[in-house]
Amino acid sequence: GAGVSQSPSNKVTEKGKDVELRCDPISGHTALYWYRQSLGQGLEFLIYFQGNSAPDKSGLPSDRFSAERTGGSVSTLTIQRTQQEDSAVYLCASSLVGQGGGQPQHFGDGTRLSIL
Amino acid sequence: EDQVTQSPEALRLQEGESSSLNCSYTVSGLRGLFWYRQDPGKGPEFLFTLYSAGEEKEKERLKATLTKKESFLHITAPKPEDSATYLCAVQARGSSNTGKLIFGQGTTLQVKP
Repeated sequence: GAGVSQSPSNKVTEKGKDVELRCDPISGHTALYWYRQSLGQGLEFLIYFQGNSAPDKSGLPSDRFSAERTGGSVSTLTIQRTQQEDSAVYLCASSLVGQGGGQPQHFGDGTRLSIL
Repeated sequence: EDQVTQSPEALRLQEGESSSLNCSYTVSGLRGLFWYRQDPGKGPEFLFTLYSAGEEKEKERLKATLTKKESFLHITAPKPEDSATYLCAVQARGSSNTGKLIFGQGTTLQVKP
């Protein structure tokens, strides 16, 4: 079956520009996560969506970062006024939600963002 | 603070040489411990979930075990295609924990023929 799909796979942009990254989760998965993977930093959590609940934005590094999830499916991560330190691979994951949690998250192949 | 530490950072093995990767964790309450494999240029691929101390899971040449403080990923008679970065992550309990994963830095495994 189809996995998590992310686009674009690569994005190169100039400092100060805005970028939008897209994530299409696995059909039927109600939980959606964004993570960032930087060299030497490992994967760090950014934001979480679950159904109609308020998103958990606790991992967003600054107010230049925002995300939305429309219709409980596709999500868009937006970075405004990009800075060089935003260069990283942005990964999206989705999962089922079970009682008590602990459901595995399934990842897309990410968007590699490079800020010149 | 919830934390995950993996060791070693890098591991080189000869084909057929068995070894173990370590994942030490500190978490307020464990909801689950996850192992992933990541190939260059790809997203993490789910391998195992462990929920409680004493639990073990196996898949082909891989076996994951869990204690109250650490998890091991045992690789038996590895092949070159097992070369990848192996990531460990924990999910914590509590109302403030919405299911986000806390990752270790990973162990990069190279298996030479």
